[in-house]
Amino acid sequence: GAVVSQHPSRVICKSGTSVKIECRSLDFQATTMFWYRQFPKQSLMLMATSNEGSKATYEQGVEKDKFLINHASLTLSTLTVTSAHPEDSSFYICSAPSRSGGGTDTQYFGPGTRLTVL
Amino acid sequence: GENVEQHPSTLSVQEGDSAVIKCTYSDSASNYFPWYKQELGKRPQLIIDIRSNVGEKKDQRIAVTLNKTAKHFSLHITETQPEDSAVYFCAASIGGGFKTIFGAGTRLFVKA
Repeated sequence: GAVVSQHPSRVICKSGTSVKIECRSLDFQATTMFWYRQFPKQSLMLMATSNEGSKATYEQGVEKDKFLINHASLTLSTLTVTSAHPEDSSFYICSAPSRSGGGTDTQYFGPGTRLTVL
Repeated sequence: GENVEQHPSTLSVQEGDSAVIKCTYSDSASNYFPWYKQELGKRPQLIIDIRSNVGEKKDQRIAVTLNKTAKHFSLHITETQPEDSAVYFCAASIGGGFKTIFGAGTRLFVKA
């Protein structure tokens, strides 16, 4: 099946710094990728849709200037958390759809990045 | 936009019993309904999915039913085992390639 990777898997940073998270589709191309945030014991909340070659689409309530998304190639999307604060500490997960031979799409998730802001 | 509600939030069953988790969705345009199992600190794993052109799908001990008219779908796990203990999420999207909206999750405990 399709594989999506994320880097780093874990990051600890000081309050006020920026953190970049990479999401890669390893064996398929993805014109669209999705970024989710998951707080402890909660569900995955969609943050934004990353579109290759164009601006990301953000969900209501997500600050686009704080969560910068860049989808510069068909296999890479990056999420930068700018001026991170402790409340941004969370598990960030990306996903990308891949089409099967039958013509249907399935989402493949990255392993997630645990961000801790001190 | 789409809203997915999931019940119950916690479910405890005895090993060998069945477990049922129910979800409803709001957007009639949604036509793809995956179910995920997530273990602590891991990515969600797709365990079964159903598309709106069918009403039921089964894979060994796991089955999913879909009622498009009522906009609800359910996960059924039979002969539960301790290793089934995890958090389960239902979700809805259009076609599978579009954004996926998740339910709140159900924490399943299977007691040996």
